[in-house]
Amino acid sequence: GAVVSQHPSRVICKSGTSVKIECRSLDFQATTMFWYRQFPKQSLMLMATSNEGSKATYEQGVEKDKFLINHASLTLSTLTVTSAHPEDSSFYICSASGRGGEETQYFGPGTRLLVL
Amino acid sequence: GQQLNQSPQSMFIQEGEDVSMNCTSSSIFNTWLWYKQDPGEGPVLLIALYKAGELTSNGRLTAQFGITRKDSFLNISASIPSDVGIYFCAGLSNNAGNMLTFGGGTRLMVKP
Repeated sequence: GAVVSQHPSRVICKSGTSVKIECRSLDFQATTMFWYRQFPKQSLMLMATSNEGSKATYEQGVEKDKFLINHASLTLSTLTVTSAHPEDSSFYICSASGRGGEETQYFGPGTRLLVL
Repeated sequence: GQQLNQSPQSMFIQEGEDVSMNCTSSSIFNTWLWYKQDPGEGPVLLIALYKAGELTSNGRLTAQFGITRKDSFLNISASIPSDVGIYFCAGLSNNAGNMLTFGGGTRLMVKP
């Protein structure tokens, strides 16, 4: 199957700082990337959908100014958590899909964010 | 967001036993996917189903796309300790912006 990487795998930061998470599709071109958030013992919650070269589409309740998404190339999308607060601590997972999202989504290994 | 109804929520079985879990929905999906997630990791795709009625196997795993396109099941035969994890079903609808709708997950525990 397709390989998707995320970096960093784990990050601890102080409250008020910004954190950038990278998502890369290593062996295919991802026209669409998705960002999810997962709380302990819960399913994945979609935060936003990003298509290469266009603005991301955010789910209801997700602040676009707080969670900045950039999908500048067919292999890279970034999620920046701005002015992070302890309640932003969570497991963030990206997925990538080809052909405008019609193909199967392949997930990255996730990034665990802890905001102190 | 919307979730699929996945059951059971958790299972505790003996090594060697067969396992079955399923997902149902009130909506039609064009694709059904089954993922496994280990602690601290992202979901890994196990099986993808693209046609109603399709029955697909991957080693000890077998999954079927319901004929009504509103349900799917996953069977694991002769379970082993490394099958431990959380299994998620997911439905993909072309009418929903190609977003995945996830089930709540089935936590599988296997006793050696």
